[in-house]
Amino acid sequence: AQSVAQPEDQVNVAEGNPLTVKCTYSVSGNPYLFWYVQYPNRGLQFLLKYITGDNLVKGSYGFEAEFNKSQTSFHLKKPSALVSDSALYFCAVRDDQYTGNQFYFGTGTSLTVIP
Amino acid sequence: DTEVTQTPKHLVMGMTNKKSLKCEQHMGHRAMYWYKQKAKKPPELMFVYSYEKLSINESVPSRFSPECPNSSLLNLHLHALQPEDSALYLCASSQGGARNEQYFGPGTRLTVT
Repeated sequence: AQSVAQPEDQVNVAEGNPLTVKCTYSVSGNPYLFWYVQYPNRGLQFLLKYITGDNLVKGSYGFEAEFNKSQTSFHLKKPSALVSDSALYFCAVRDDQYTGNQFYFGTGTSLTVIP
Repeated sequence: DTEVTQTPKHLVMGMTNKKSLKCEQHMGHRAMYWYKQKAKKPPELMFVYSYEKLSINESVPSRFSPECPNSSLLNLHLHALQPEDSALYLCASSQGGARNEQYFGPGTRLTVT
């Protein structure tokens, strides 16, 4: 079984401060983890993914994510938040034993960056 | 090119109308998806096509009918919808396989009156 949890519905951060959006997962095998961002009335945009290797993954727009196997987490981070980062963020998971095409999305975290 | 296009951007239809949503990708992806998304909620999977064959149908009502004419195109035919079907409909594509990300189109905002 595969599932992902985003424990915070809403995150507020001041512009220029570091931001973190949390994600924890549960899988049967080894996880494949993804982050997406969605701006209002738009589709989801792929930010980054962890498949294997280095636990720190760098992605688009200055975002990065840290894979932590012992804590089953894959938190999204950015050193300095911009107002334009305000959006809805989704974490998604699959595992290496999964042979289908379905993604398992978290419930989403709404990020607001305050000027 | 990582673009998935969807038409129309907006659609208003009555409960007795028949309409179609269209999706196109030219990335050579073998899997294509339809999702339904309500405001501030995660996308809900409706249909998956793999190599132009329907592989997942998440118990979607028959008033939604998917079609995959070729590997680049995906349609969603709509008939006799209900007001609760109003949502953002997203198309996505991927290489397939667990390691590969999906690329989403901008969506069609559907309003059923």
